[in-house]
Amino acid sequence: SQKIEQNSEALNIQEGKTATLTCNYTNYSPAYLQWYRQDPGRGPVFLLLIRENEKEKRKERLKVTFDTTLKQSLFHITASQPADSATYLCALPGRRALTFGSGTRLQVQP
Amino acid sequence: DAGVIQSPRHEVTEMGQEVTLRCKPISGHDYLFWYRQTMMRGLELLIYFNNNVPIDDSGMPEDRFSAKMPNASFSTLKIQPSEPRDSAVYFCASSLSLAGVGNEQFFGPGTRLTVL
Repeated sequence: SQKIEQNSEALNIQEGKTATLTCNYTNYSPAYLQWYRQDPGRGPVFLLLIRENEKEKRKERLKVTFDTTLKQSLFHITASQPADSATYLCALPGRRALTFGSGTRLQVQP
Repeated sequence: DAGVIQSPRHEVTEMGQEVTLRCKPISGHDYLFWYRQTMMRGLELLIYFNNNVPIDDSGMPEDRFSAKMPNASFSTLKIQPSEPRDSAVYFCASSLSLAGVGNEQFFGPGTRLTVL
């Protein structure tokens, strides 16, 4: 089965800087990969999907890359704001629908 | 659309009691998912339905857990009898498709279950 690794340690950055979160996976390369945002006490919210034939995807201040050779996706938030503070989860299709990573908590300091 | 609706938002019960969690998916979504989230194990898929039919329940912890979807707009997750280790946040999610366009999942607000 697919194993997903996200940095369990919180990422603390200063407002205005670029946050970069990592999602590594083992085994087979998926056809696509998704990123979700989760705020405390709420359910995850879908942000972006990137397909295996796309190297990069952008949405406003968000940028996702997908390297099937490294088996890695990077999630960038440029010009970060305190409102970006949340836990970010990556998700990959597997044998049983989507498999979610454990998430990385991002804290943007004003 | 109001999004995925779950009830109750919080449930505190005593060990051995029956617990029923409820979910209303987004209208028109063919897939419904039940997840459990804990600090130790993260977000785990318990079961999912396609057009009201259970497709994969291999994530259901044990026979104490059961899920039903009697119609396209309602699903329940039941735990009987409940145990303290069932304490977690339970999420319901729905999507248009599983793997193609529209496969992003929309999550409800979750039910925080505490079993004493």
